[in-house]
Parts: sequence; C-alpha cells; structure tokens
Amino acid sequence: DAEITQSPRHKITETGRQVTLACHQTWNHNNMFWYRQDLGHGLRLIHYSYGVHDTNKGEVSDGYSVSRSNTEDLPLTLESAASSQTSVYFCASAPGQDYNEQFFGPGTRLTVL
Amino acid sequence: RKEVEQDPGPFNVPEGATVAFNCTYSNSASQSFFWYRQDCRKEPKLLMSVYSSGNEDGRFTAQLNRASQYISLLIRDSKLSDSATYLCVVRDGTNAGKSTFGDGTTLTVKP
Repeated sequence: DAEITQSPRHKITETGRQVTLACHQTWNHNNMFWYRQDLGHGLRLIHYSYGVHDTNKGEVSDGYSVSRSNTEDLPLTLESAASSQTSVYFCASAPGQDYNEQFFGPGTRLTVL
Repeated sequence: RKEVEQDPGPFNVPEGATVAFNCTYSNSASQSFFWYRQDCRKEPKLLMSVYSSGNEDGRFTAQLNRASQYISLLIRDSKLSDSATYLCVVRDGTNAGKSTFGDGTTLTVKP
C-alpha cells in the first residue's frame, strides 16, 4: 500500500548541531509539505514543494531548509538546531494543486537540548 | 489576528450530546475548507471537506458561511470515540496548495 513515512520518529540533539528529518511518500504526489506543531497549537507551515526542484518558504521557514531531488522525498534540515525548534514535525503530501486532502506522516518528535 | 481562529475549548460533553464547533477565517480569497481530526500525539486526518451548500456525513455536518467567513462542524449523538482535537483548515485559492490550520478545538466525550 502507498504510504508516507518519516524518520526518525524521535530525535534528541544538542543546540548548534545540524539535523535532517526524512520524509518519504510512495503515492507519487507532486505536493509535499513540512509543518511543525507546538503544544496547544495548530500546524504551521515551514516549507513546501510543488514538484522536483521546486521549494517554497512557509510562514516559519527561518532556520530550516529543504531540497526536492525526486518525487518521493522532501528532507527537512535544521542548519543549526536551536531550543526553539523543539517541536513535533509533520510531513504531508497531496496530489496536484487541486486536491482535497493532505496525507500526513506519523510525525517526528524533536528535542533540542 | 490569526488567519484562522477556532473556539478554544475544551469541550467536555456526555455521550449522546450534540456539540458544535465554529471557525472563522480572515482571508476572503480562501477557496477550500476542511475539518481534520487529530488524536493525541498522532497525525491529522481529514474528517470532511466543507462545501458551500453544506454537507453531511453520518453524524457530522459541516456548514460554510462565506459572507460571514466562518465554517462550522456539528456532531450529533457524540460517541466516546469522537474524543479528539478538531482542526479547521482553510486553503487559499490564490496560492493553491497552501493550507492554514487553526489551533484546534479539543473535544472530550464522557460516559
């Protein structure tokens, strides 16, 4: 069955380290998204991509970067992790631009000490 | 002001109760509207899309009021399994693909 996976599911790192969170989907969806969710809040968009080699900044993109070298993967990199980036990160994908549903991965819980 | 605002909750209701959530949005260019459900520490999942004419799916009814820029979700005959956080989602038609999420409303259904 097609799916969307994230790895690692849990990560503890130290301030200043570079961290990469993986997101992989097997639906062949063009659109992929990264969100963060902090306690008691909704999801905030970090970066998104509409296709290979396309990346765009969301509302909270500072300190994060993404690259899209193929359809299936959109890794999220924290260049120099900060304690303010402690959060739960969700990756999502959707077909085309006229879609009705985003499919979310299970999330990565990141702690920056 | 947030782009998408929801009733803060939490809502604590007995089984069998009817409960309604409201959500307001500020961007008049918004084209698509959704309710997602999120269980504790899990990923959000689509509950239902919200259409201009209103739509119903079993015990769930969604309504859209474009003039007042709000959407609503009505849950009838609440079940214990309805306990979750309900996220209002609005998608901007001028930038297809970008969705804005509300902070969510938490519902607890008690026996």
